Amino acid sequence: TQLLEQSPQFLSIQEGENLTVYCNSSSVFSSLQWYRQEPGEGPVLLVTVVTGGEVKKLKRLTFQFGDARKDSSLHITAAQPGDTGLYLCAGANDYKLSFGAGTTVTVRA
Amino acid sequence: GAGVSQSPSNKVTEKGKDVELRCDPISGHTALYWYRQSLGQGLEFLIYFQGNSAPDKSGLPSDRFSAERTGGSVSTLTIQRTQQEDSAVYLCASSLTTGRYEQYFGPGTRLTVT
Repeated sequence: TQLLEQSPQFLSIQEGENLTVYCNSSSVFSSLQWYRQEPGEGPVLLVTVVTGGEVKKLKRLTFQFGDARKDSSLHITAAQPGDTGLYLCAGANDYKLSFGAGTTVTVRA
Repeated sequence: GAGVSQSPSNKVTEKGKDVELRCDPISGHTALYWYRQSLGQGLEFLIYFQGNSAPDKSGLPSDRFSAERTGGSVSTLTIQRTQQEDSAVYLCASSLTTGRYEQYFGPGTRLTVT
């Protein structure tokens, strides 16, 4: 059983559309991290959110941490083919990260 | 700049054989993690090393799995008597230690047990 549930599992959209990926848990985390992984590579850290209610923006990507620090979302505006990849959320408590199963995002040109 | 490196990148082995996977963390990173990633699953924590402290081995799935870290740097994950269910991508990550524990991952070793 995954500690963190991500939805949807798969997402295929046209270039220029918006998308949102959700990461939910019944557990509270001290921080939450989002990673993107491309085939044959390890995950690459995108952002860390720490404070409940925190919103961080990274160009066209917006990350939000829930008020109770149990859930998070990733929103991509005007998606581009370069956004294609596996998006993973990970909740941190002390040194341990608990990962969701990931959302595979495909952006069609 | 040097990131986390892992070797080999791919390993095919016969059931019952032992394998060793190597990880070179980022220089100066005192924390090192091993994870296993199976298709459709998230990353499964295996083991954590921090400096000279006793490692957290709570994620190792069986006593066939072991890991060591020599000189606070390079780490080796050993799987004895491999089984087909051990087939997965094994990822290593390192971090700067305390704080938000942001981890930097290597490219992984894809292990296939035939």
